[in-house]
Amino acid sequence: GENVEQHPSTLSVQEGDSAVIKCTYSDSASNYFPWYKQELGKGPQLIIDIRSNVGEKKDQRIAVTLNKTAKHFSLHITETQPEDSAVYFCAAERVDSSYKLIFGSGTRLLVRP
Amino acid sequence: DAGVTQSPTHLIKTRGQQVTLRCSPISGHKSVSWYQQVLGQGPQFIFQYYEKEERGRGNFPDRFSARQFPNYSSELNVNALLLGDSALYLCASSLVPSNYGYTFGSGTRLTVV
Repeated sequence: GENVEQHPSTLSVQEGDSAVIKCTYSDSASNYFPWYKQELGKGPQLIIDIRSNVGEKKDQRIAVTLNKTAKHFSLHITETQPEDSAVYFCAAERVDSSYKLIFGSGTRLLVRP
Repeated sequence: DAGVTQSPTHLIKTRGQQVTLRCSPISGHKSVSWYQQVLGQGPQFIFQYYEKEERGRGNFPDRFSARQFPNYSSELNVNALLLGDSALYLCASSLVPSNYGYTFGSGTRLTVV
């Protein structure tokens, strides 16, 4: 069945450094790939997304790259800040009779001041 | 403008009981999806509803059911609760069932004892 693998499971960086989280997906029909940030006690918050007709998208310190041939996509956070500390989830949208998101297992990012 | 509203925020139930969780989507959004997030994992798709009709169902037993009302709000029902049903239940709303982006609520934390 459809699957999204996410690495690493935990990531610790120094404030100001960059952080990279990688995901691979199995369903070649997926064409929408969002990234969510989840803080303790809250629901996932969309931070950036990319569609299959685009290879890269950037929003200030956050960027996402997509390689459809290899079926992988990555989140890049530059100039990390302590408030970036959270759990990040990648997802791939599967379309059959419905539109559903298949989530990765999450990456706990810790930004050390 | 209010985001996705879920109630209650927390509840504790005993094994074998039944529970109803509620979700109000963002104004103008007609599609509601439900996800289950077990501690330490990514959310898993349960249902998607659009215009009061079930559009998709994930790999969950028949103990799980849902419905959508004319005002597009939704309820998730779980019967014969098991300890393994303990999780954060998330509601996500979108304009229509497509890859236009999903907004999640803060969830209902269900604990089954």
